[in-house]
Amino acid sequence: AQKVTQAQTEISVVEKEDVTLDCVYETRDTTYYLFWYKQPPSGELVFLIRRNSFDEQNEISGRYSWNFQKSTSSFNFTITASQVVDSAVYFCALSEAPGYSTLTFGKGTMLLVSP
Amino acid sequence: DTAVSQTPKYLVTQMGNDKSIKCEQNLGHDTMYWYKQDSKKFLKIMFSYNNKELIINETVPNRFSPKSPDKAHLNLHINSLELGDSAVYFCASSRDMNTEAFFGQGTRLTVV
Repeated sequence: AQKVTQAQTEISVVEKEDVTLDCVYETRDTTYYLFWYKQPPSGELVFLIRRNSFDEQNEISGRYSWNFQKSTSSFNFTITASQVVDSAVYFCALSEAPGYSTLTFGKGTMLLVSP
Repeated sequence: DTAVSQTPKYLVTQMGNDKSIKCEQNLGHDTMYWYKQDSKKFLKIMFSYNNKELIINETVPNRFSPKSPDKAHLNLHINSLELGDSAVYFCASSRDMNTEAFFGQGTRLTVV
């Protein structure tokens, strides 16, 4: 069975600090996908990134970066120079492939960035 | 244009009532979903439809009945509402069964 663990329930930082959100996953499949979603206080779920299990290359998108390490079954998310608008709940998720695309979510990490 | 839209955004109703939540996507996606987010923010899949066919039904009480009249719509009907049904329900869609899902804004259901 697949499982996603986000051990950090809540993180508080001050603006401009860097912050890393941890995600550890479990799956028996060799082919799978990993995702991060953001849920701001307004409530919608915003897709951030999708990674497949064969692509361990780290990704950077502006202030966001993701570190995928199969050896430790982790897919961590770093926000550089955090801003107040980054305050949200961040969810890591896993889906096993092929043909089975529903997402198994972690419990989320609430990030609070204060000015 | 909103990609995945749900109505209503808020729904307050009494126990025992029957209610529906509508979902439409204009992305041309083949796959649609319903997820439930409980009071602790935990998100869990309820149903998955691919090309109007039910693919996944995750141990959801049969009081919940999804209906997909076409690929762009997946409505959720709930009979005999219970207090424990209070949650935020998210509709989502994806291009196919192996790509990222895009979510609607959610429907906050409160059963009193």
